[in-house]
Amino acid sequence: QVQLQESGPGLVKPAETLSLTCTVSGDSITSYYWSWIRQPPGKGLEWIAYMFHSGKTNHNPSLKSRVTISVDTSKNQFSLKLKSVNTADTAVYYCAREHYGTGRFDPWGQGTLVTVSS
Amino acid sequence: QSALTQPASVSGSPGQSITISCTGTSSDVGGYNYVSWYQQHPGKSPKVMIYDVSNRPSGVSNRFSGSKSGNTASLTISGLQAEDEADYYCSSYTSSTTLVFGGGTKLTVL
Repeated sequence: QVQLQESGPGLVKPAETLSLTCTVSGDSITSYYWSWIRQPPGKGLEWIAYMFHSGKTNHNPSLKSRVTISVDTSKNQFSLKLKSVNTADTAVYYCAREHYGTGRFDPWGQGTLVTVSS
Repeated sequence: QSALTQPASVSGSPGQSITISCTGTSSDVGGYNYVSWYQQHPGKSPKVMIYDVSNRPSGVSNRFSGSKSGNTASLTISGLQAEDEADYYCSSYTSSTTLVFGGGTKLTVL
């Protein structure tokens, strides 16, 4: 059974960098694509980026200049860095396995709330 | 990229059928058979209910079905049950090789 678990600080100051890690168990991170998605409180889902272990990545154009996504195959983890955050970046951040760029996200992690506040 | 367009809310009585629409453009929904649908209960992670327009993952009830016509995809839930009350989101592949979600639809079972 594939499981994903997000980890990272729950509070980030404005203008700083948000950093999250997703640990994958039950599957190799060298299979499939891996993605980050976020959901502001009370709002809808927003796709952030996906990556393949080879280094192939793609990003939401609205966030591209601030997003870095990377993989650590030795730890079966992938990570998200979002720089220059502001209050609009407050959201539940999910990691998910993604089926080769088709938009099928399955499964998802439980999500982690990141609040941007001074 | 713009979010796909979904109705903010739909409702139905137990046993009835409802349909949720997801409208995009020829650069996303209309151009590819890569539309997925997600169910999200309050405080929970989304769960895929339909992928590739009309395919159901193992374990998802056959009361859920998907289709597409032109630039609009649809999710139909038949034999509505109380447990179906949730938020539903569509997603699509785009011509920019990015992914986009719909704004979400709140389903109320009366």
